[in-house]
Amino acid sequence: HSALTQPPSASGSPGQSVTISCTGTSSDVGAYNYVSWYQQHPGRAPKLMIYEVSKRPSGVPDRFSGSKSGNTASLTVSGLQAEDEADYYCTSFGYNRVFGGGTKLTVL
Amino acid sequence: DVQLVESGGGLVQPGGSLRLTCVASGFTFSGDWVDWVRQAPGKGLEWVAHINGDGSQKYYGDSVKGRFTISRDNARNSLYLQMDSLRAEDTAVYYCARNRGYFALDIWGQGTMVTISS
Repeated sequence: HSALTQPPSASGSPGQSVTISCTGTSSDVGAYNYVSWYQQHPGRAPKLMIYEVSKRPSGVPDRFSGSKSGNTASLTVSGLQAEDEADYYCTSFGYNRVFGGGTKLTVL
Repeated sequence: DVQLVESGGGLVQPGGSLRLTCVASGFTFSGDWVDWVRQAPGKGLEWVAHINGDGSQKYYGDSVKGRFTISRDNARNSLYLQMDSLRAEDTAVYYCARNRGYFALDIWGQGTMVTISS
């Protein structure tokens, strides 16, 4: 089963905004408003940042936001900070339980 | 504190077996779906399996179907992953995670490393 498609890398300077995309199909991302995003720092467990496309768990800064259009979901990080440098993964509820391939976000 | 703690990882020869355990605390474990997710060295996340609150529904990823078995003991607040016929490609950090619904995994353990090598 195909994973969701993410760009391998993204980057931005401190204070800037960066958007990471996650492209699925009409059977997952396009069919349900159940896209989640995870942040993972090296050697650490993943952390849920966004669920149900655009909802933030308690404690996640509002600099992190999510959206969806058609078969593509997006995570936007505004006001980039050094600690945002990490790998980011998307998932979607659907026929298959798959993760995106991951995007390495670099803060320049 | 709300937490999940995995144990049971280690070095096993190809074809061998291993049982992972995940112990939950700080939340009502018996009401939740729980997942196993793994990450091979330097690679991305891969969903392995999940189980519903009473253990009556179990689903597996294609790469482990028929070899791995997920189970739980709610009296012990524990989740298990029995791994048989292990292969080199099963080498990974294995995480357990609470599934708050629709594949949103909101509580994660620290992970346990499984290495399959002769």
